[in-house]
Amino acid sequence: DIVMTQSPLSLPVSPGEAASISCRSSQSLHYLEWYLQKPGQSPQLLIYKVSNRASGVPDRFSGSGSGTEFTLKITKVEAEDAGVYYCMQSLQIPLTFGGGTKVEIK
Amino acid sequence: EVRLVQARAEVKRPGESLKISCQASGYTFTKYWIGWVRQKPGKGLEWMGIIYPSDYLVKYGPSFQGQVIISADRFINTAYLQWTSLQASDTATYYCARGEADLNLYSGMDVWGQGTTVTVSS
Repeated sequence: DIVMTQSPLSLPVSPGEAASISCRSSQSLHYLEWYLQKPGQSPQLLIYKVSNRASGVPDRFSGSGSGTEFTLKITKVEAEDAGVYYCMQSLQIPLTFGGGTKVEIK
Repeated sequence: EVRLVQARAEVKRPGESLKISCQASGYTFTKYWIGWVRQKPGKGLEWMGIIYPSDYLVKYGPSFQGQVIISADRFINTAYLQWTSLQASDTATYYCARGEADLNLYSGMDVWGQGTTVTVSS
């Protein structure tokens, strides 16, 4: 199985600041997604295939990376961005998620 | 509107069976696979498996092979997740989500159900 490792575990950030979350995979891949799970809600797709924003996702969210190292960046964090962010690889079955990064708005 | 509708909650006793559903609407059911994701209380997301409604092909994650049964009925646009004998450790929220079956068109799990919370307790 492909192992996905995220960092940091927790990320406190003030509104208007930038935030960055890292995701490392145990194998090289290009099918890499980012999901946000807001409190009490189902996960929602943010980014697919490393850098493509899903429909309706604000352009303050961006994904980048290649090989085994990937990054989700949020420019000018807003209060509604609070929640747990997960990376997930969809290159190989079983699909696997990272452990999650909790973004807390200060 | 594209939707995946799940029942909100189920309460069962250990040893009982359960089949939860995920009803799709607003799109061609057979063009997307349906995946199931488990989330134990306070924990992260775990991918369980997927089914392709076009031919009912199922692929399970290793941790879930033999523990659950994934099925679907393409005539009523519904996917299912089933247990024959629940355990307390099955207590979790179970989400269904869709993904484009054609890998060239795949763009993530773009629609999710609201999740079914399964509580197994004596």
